[in-house]
Amino acid sequence: QQQVKQSPQSLIVQKGGISIINCAYENTAFDYFPWYQQFPGKGPALLIAIRPDVSEKKEGRFTISFNKSAKQFSLHIMDSQPGDSATYFCAASRGSSNTGKLIFGQGTTLQVKP
Amino acid sequence: DTEVTQTPKHLVMGMTNKKSLKCEQHMGHRAMYWYKQKAKKPPELMFVYSYEKLSINESVPSRFSPECPNSSLLNLHLHALQPEDSALYLCASSFNTGELFFGEGSRLTVL
Repeated sequence: QQQVKQSPQSLIVQKGGISIINCAYENTAFDYFPWYQQFPGKGPALLIAIRPDVSEKKEGRFTISFNKSAKQFSLHIMDSQPGDSATYFCAASRGSSNTGKLIFGQGTTLQVKP
Repeated sequence: DTEVTQTPKHLVMGMTNKKSLKCEQHMGHRAMYWYKQKAKKPPELMFVYSYEKLSINESVPSRFSPECPNSSLLNLHLHALQPEDSALYLCASSFNTGELFFGEGSRLTVL
């Protein structure tokens, strides 16, 4: 119930291509779904986040698609660049009664080839 | 640049040593967190402080002792650690649930 399943584990994309990472959850009480980007030797950085009242959110080249009925959400990186090469974590949390208790997916290592 | 500052960036300690990790934020956040991250794994929650009071302890062994002296500072005291405790220790802070701002971490090696 508390798990967030993320796929694929690793992804190789050519420069200019679209990178797609998928996540699925079980707990319908989750109401906040962020994506974090982590470069080697650095802490995770919040990339983009969505709440279940919208089906899509776009910020620059990054888009979250959210399917509430399927309990799935995904990150799309358009025009992928070598600088996007990093590990991406999806996450989920529920309400203020569980402050900061993010449930992370297992991560996806993205490599964008020049 | 991250607005959550962690020191030291690297720490090597023996199993009998006592050391501390420090974290500071000046964003006015009232919740602060310690996470542990092993290589190629997601961060694992250890402790949450809300308004300077410990609100979540994820059954962390007592050899890890958190302290929140004020709303801007968070410490993690380490004593009698084991080699398997070697990891990246991340501090984070937030206003709201989920919108965590992470520091760059302290890389701990226990010999």
